[in-house]
Amino acid sequence: DVKVTQSSRYLVKRTGEKVFLECVQDMDHENMFWYRQDPGLGLRLIYFSYDVKMKEKGDIPEGYSVSREKKERFSLILESASTNQTSMYLCASSSTPSPIREKLFFGSGTQLSVL
Amino acid sequence: AQKITQTQPGMFVQEKEAVTLDCTYDTSDPSYGLFWYKQPSSGEMIFLIYQGSYDQQNATEGRYSLNFQKARKSANLVISASQLGDSAMYFCAMREGIDTGNQFYFGTGTSLTVIP
Repeated sequence: DVKVTQSSRYLVKRTGEKVFLECVQDMDHENMFWYRQDPGLGLRLIYFSYDVKMKEKGDIPEGYSVSREKKERFSLILESASTNQTSMYLCASSSTPSPIREKLFFGSGTQLSVL
Repeated sequence: AQKITQTQPGMFVQEKEAVTLDCTYDTSDPSYGLFWYKQPSSGEMIFLIYQGSYDQQNATEGRYSLNFQKARKSANLVISASQLGDSAMYFCAMREGIDTGNQFYFGTGTSLTVIP
C-alpha cells in the first residue's frame, strides 16, 4: 500500500525553537508538497519540490524553509517558531509527468502547537 | 480571484438522507481536473472522486457522485444515504492542465455533520 508518512501526529514547541517536520513517501514520486491547514482558510501551499535539491515557494513561504536531500524525503523547517505558526501541516506527493486525473497522496498531518 | 470556492462552512444532514456540498471553480484552461477529498477528525485526507473537464458523464463512486455543470463552473458533491461515518471536512480541489508545477488549488472546506 502506497504511503506518505509524517514523523509526528502532534508536536508542541516553544516560541523561538527551530522545528523540523519530516515527510517520507515510498512511491518514488518526484513532486512533494507542504500545505498548512487552518479553519476557514482551507489548505495553503507553503513550498513544493519537483526534484531532489529543488524547491519552489508556494503561496505562504514566509517563516518557513524546506530541504530535499533525497527523493523520498521532504522536510519543512520553521527557523524560529512563532505562535502564528500553530496549525495543521500536511505533506503530499505526486508523480510527474502525470495525467491530470492523478490525485495527490497525503500524509496524516502534523498538528503543531507553538506556545 | 479564488480558484475554488466552497460557500458552505458547515452542513447538517439526517442519517440516510442525501446531501449536496457546493463547489465552484475559476479557470480559463480548457483542460482541468476536479477532485473531492474527505478529512475525518483523524486528519488524513481521503480521495473520494475525480471529474475531468472533458468527461462526458458525471463521475460516480459508490455513494458519491459529482454534479458537474461545466457552463456554470460548478462541481457539487452529492452524498447519498448519509452515514454517521460521513461526518468530516470535505474539500474541493482543482488541477489545471497548463500547470507544469502540478499544483492543486483547494477550497476552504465544508464541515458535514450527520445527525442520527
